[in-house]
Amino acid sequence: NAGVMQNPRHLVRRRGQEARLRCSPMKGHSHVYWYRQLPEEGLKFMVYLQKENIIDESGMPKERFSAEFPKEGPSILRIQQVVRGDSAAYFCASSPSSGVRGYTFGSGTRLTVV
Amino acid sequence: GESVGLHLPTLSVQEGDNSIINCAYSNSASDYFIWYKQESGKGPQFIIDIRSNMDKRQGQRVTVLLNKTVKHLSLQIAATQPGDSAVYFCAENQRVQGGGADGLTFGKGTHLIIQP
Repeated sequence: NAGVMQNPRHLVRRRGQEARLRCSPMKGHSHVYWYRQLPEEGLKFMVYLQKENIIDESGMPKERFSAEFPKEGPSILRIQQVVRGDSAAYFCASSPSSGVRGYTFGSGTRLTVV
Repeated sequence: GESVGLHLPTLSVQEGDNSIINCAYSNSASDYFIWYKQESGKGPQFIIDIRSNMDKRQGQRVTVLLNKTVKHLSLQIAATQPGDSAVYFCAENQRVQGGGADGLTFGKGTHLIIQP
């Protein structure tokens, strides 16, 4: 029973490039949440998705960031035209239903913008 | 500003001793709290949770205490072991009208160091 799978584990991008982070939820989980963690900080909620729907994107920056969770395949967090301030660890969590009580986190993707 | 925060960024204890990690929150509407453990290079791992209608909950070697009067949360770890070394985060679920009900608000974390 694989947990929440995130890839890549590490991603290096030059300023102005695009970053694509992937998250495959646990089997049977149809709810996905993305969080960002800056160094020495706690995690900050970004977006909550169900299959083909964005439920809550109140934590997403207004520009350059987007997320999707298609009917087939993993959830994707996309960052366009990355800047140094986007360097962080991005964590995905999944749950079998809405609400935080069933959360399982992945190991994260560490994005470094050079 | 942050609605959830930690009193101490680093806590060092001797192996075998008990440790207490503290957390303050400011949103009295929060109804659910979780403690997570995060080891280096890994994602947060659930430790224990507590609902706002409780003031204490015990797990294996861990106890969470909730004081709603002063909006304070603590995690007690008994008989600490080397494997307990990690960063510990408290998180709250805020039932905010209009959204955010399924997102957690995390504190900044306390780094627990277990000394041999």
